[in-house]
Amino acid sequence: SQQGEEDPQALSIQEGENATMNCSYKTSINNLQWYRQNSGRGLVHLILIRSNEREKHSGRLRVTLDTSKKSSSLLITASRAADTASYFCALPSSNDYKLSFGAGTTVTVRA
Amino acid sequence: ETGVTQTPRHLVMGMTNKKSLKCEQHLGHNAMYWYKQSAKKPLELMFVYSLEERVENNSVPSRFSPECPNSSHLFLHLHTLQPEDSALYLCASSVVGASGEQYFGPGTRLTVT
Repeated sequence: SQQGEEDPQALSIQEGENATMNCSYKTSINNLQWYRQNSGRGLVHLILIRSNEREKHSGRLRVTLDTSKKSSSLLITASRAADTASYFCALPSSNDYKLSFGAGTTVTVRA
Repeated sequence: ETGVTQTPRHLVMGMTNKKSLKCEQHLGHNAMYWYKQSAKKPLELMFVYSLEERVENNSVPSRFSPECPNSSHLFLHLHTLQPEDSALYLCASSVVGASGEQYFGPGTRLTVT
């Protein structure tokens, strides 16, 4: 199974600004998922985008998927202090039930 | 609240102790997972149970022993651990064949002294 690679590793922004992070992968996928983890807590599923979708929105989150470039991006608009967390992209294996996570992007939102 | 609970939330144990971590899911899922998260490292998948049968064991040392008595409960039995086993242990659950979306518990922070 493959791991996604997130970029950048860390990001620091001012409250109200947008945050963008990227995930690249190597082989074809059925879907790609984004998760958030607040410090020392469990991961929370944010959004799933299927291989036949190009963009998806959920509240202040926008995810894009470019299968030709094998990459996805997560945009958080109008960031808040509560968005401070680590964000991970996850790729399911071919048998669907197993996920591989990247190392994550740590986002710090300054008040 | 994700519907997945883990106990205890924090655990300190000596290298000669035996302890168990417990995970329970209230979502009607049929797959459960143990992950290890160490500082500065990606999540490591340890064990996968699908339909109460272990389907994956990613070369985990035998000092970690999983148990899945039914589809709602998952245990991780620990014995003679090493200091490098100190980490956050996360449990997750999902529905087999449903896109792989997983629901995580809050984790057990384990410190081995």
